[in-house]
Amino acid sequence: NAGVTQTPKFQVLKTGQSMTLQCAQDMNHEYMSWYRQDPGMGLRLIHYSVGAGITDQGEVPNGYNVSRSTTEDFPLRLLSAAPSQTSVYFCASRSGNGELFFGEGSRLTVL
Amino acid sequence: AQSVTQPDIHITVSEGASLELRCNYSYGATPYLFWYVQSPGQGLQLLLKYFSGDTLVQGIKGFEAEFKRSQSSFNLRKPSVHWSDAAEYFCAVGGDTGGFKTIFGAGTRLFVKA
Repeated sequence: NAGVTQTPKFQVLKTGQSMTLQCAQDMNHEYMSWYRQDPGMGLRLIHYSVGAGITDQGEVPNGYNVSRSTTEDFPLRLLSAAPSQTSVYFCASRSGNGELFFGEGSRLTVL
Repeated sequence: AQSVTQPDIHITVSEGASLELRCNYSYGATPYLFWYVQSPGQGLQLLLKYFSGDTLVQGIKGFEAEFKRSQSSFNLRKPSVHWSDAAEYFCAVGGDTGGFKTIFGAGTRLFVKA
């Protein structure tokens, strides 16, 4: 039972490059979300989705795009990476009782 | 708007001592409240959750938390801390439907001294 799978685990980018963080879940959860974790700031919500075709902004959406074409997948796109986007990113899906299930995280460094 | 405040950035306790981590929330409806734990270099694991009913909830690893609506608090407690409890603890508020985002506090890092 894979749960929530994120790729890649590590990535180094140069300023201005683009990339996509992949997230897939096999629990048939409608709600999926992306967080970034920075020291002293906890997990901040970037974007979330309540089902296929529906996305919305979280606390810190600027610089990130998302789409949700299927229930399983929720990729996060950085169109033009900036050093301020250096962070650890977590994808999570939410069960019917509100519990979040997290991926293992993706550590991104932007030079 | 939802928000969560964890007033303590870090706490140090001796092994075997009791622990209380504070959490205050702001939420426009009856909250769903959670505590998650993150060990160094790891993902997040759910410790316990409150939805309704008994305001004292039990979780894994001997943790418990008490919901106090009048104080907008959901503090985490453990009677006797073990060295393996050293980790970062996050309080979160959210819901079970799409209309309710899950928002986290900044976290409290727990250090355990021998």
